[in-house]
Amino acid sequence: EDKVVQSPLSLVVHEGDTVTLNCSYEVTNFRSLLWYKQEKKAPTFLFMLTSSGIEKKSGRLSSILDKKELFSILNITATQTGDSAVYLCAVSLEVGNQFYFGTGTSLTVIP
Amino acid sequence: EPEVTQTPSHQVTQMGQEVILRCVPISNHLYFYWYRQILGQKVEFLVSFYNNEISEKSEIFDDQFSVERPDGSNFTLKIRSTKLEDSAMYFCASSEPRRAQHEAFFGQGTRLTVV
Repeated sequence: EDKVVQSPLSLVVHEGDTVTLNCSYEVTNFRSLLWYKQEKKAPTFLFMLTSSGIEKKSGRLSSILDKKELFSILNITATQTGDSAVYLCAVSLEVGNQFYFGTGTSLTVIP
Repeated sequence: EPEVTQTPSHQVTQMGQEVILRCVPISNHLYFYWYRQILGQKVEFLVSFYNNEISEKSEIFDDQFSVERPDGSNFTLKIRSTKLEDSAMYFCASSEPRRAQHEAFFGQGTRLTVV
């Protein structure tokens, strides 16, 4: 069964648009939720969220976690073609040290 | 900026052959991981390694797989007798001491193609 579900699966937007990517999870003993950006190969770390309601921000990207409703969103404002990538959400638990990944959202930003 | 490095970037092997995928984790990291991603599918956990032993492994990580830290810098994944379904991108990752359940930094991956 899928522990981490991302939506939408894919998204095509124009440069300058704002996008919101969703990640919902269903796990016990939640510890943290992480967002990664995967371009050609390696996932690169974006954010780690452990507390509800505290927004993490880095430039045009921001993310927030809702531990009551079990989801997180990743916002990208004023999108650029360089934002085109697969965005992965992963969850870690209090027990063990693996990450459970979602299938990712493929974002394409067209000029 | 320190990074996880993996070699080779692409490996083609015949079914039944043994392969060794190599990784050099970030130098002060103590937790190491292998993940794989079959084309079009999600990133899947294989194994984690700490203090010279496996700390956790998934059901994918069967007897055909093994990991080793042969020296102070390398971390390897061996597949003893490759199958067609082992074809995937294999990612190595590492994380800092006392932060095993926090962010992991990934290498660029080795694309394994079994023919």
